[in-house]
Amino acid sequence: DQQVKQNSPSLSVQEGRISILNCDYTNSMFDYFLWYKKYPAEGPTFLISISSIKDKNEDGRFTVFLNKSAKHLSLHIVPSQPGDSAVYFCAASAYLSYGGSQGNLIFGKGTKLSVKP
Amino acid sequence: DAGVTQSPTHLIKTRGQQVTLRCSPKSGHDTVSWYQQALGQGPQFIFQYYEEEERQRGNFPDRFSGHQFPNYSSELNVNALLLGDSALYLCASSYRGAQQYFGPGTRLTVT
Repeated sequence: DQQVKQNSPSLSVQEGRISILNCDYTNSMFDYFLWYKKYPAEGPTFLISISSIKDKNEDGRFTVFLNKSAKHLSLHIVPSQPGDSAVYFCAASAYLSYGGSQGNLIFGKGTKLSVKP
Repeated sequence: DAGVTQSPTHLIKTRGQQVTLRCSPKSGHDTVSWYQQALGQGPQFIFQYYEEEERQRGNFPDRFSGHQFPNYSSELNVNALLLGDSALYLCASSYRGAQQYFGPGTRLTVT
């Protein structure tokens, strides 16, 4: 049973336009959400995160929106650039009592973004 | 400042053999997590080490074991390798588990 779902395996966008990547989750205990970008032959690179106490977090061209009632989050990239072409993973975790730290990350299957010049 | 490093980069083993993968965390990080990424899937959590102890474990058999050393580096051991163990093994480090940074991974092929 997938707790984090990315229902679009791929997305193609024109350079300069907005890219919107979506992610749904089922576990209401999740309180921290992250987006990672992955190029072939490399490990995932952290992009942006959001805590469940917020509904929006922005970092340059990247904005993540969280809708807790719908258990849905999205990543907006504006404007999209050809260098953004990669696989994007949504991940979620729950706060643990030990050491006051975050638990393990649960990943979706990823969405392959292609930005065409 | 070096990020997370992993060795080796690639590895080919035969069914039934044992393998050890190594990870050095980012400077200042004290927690190491291991993930398995099969082709076309997202990374799956294997276990997490903090203060040299396994603190959390995912749904992986006992053939998967690990260790964390006093300098926070870590090893992942897999015994009695199966064909299905072929995957990219990712190590991630963090300070107290928050915001994990990933290494480049070790590609394991079991024949």
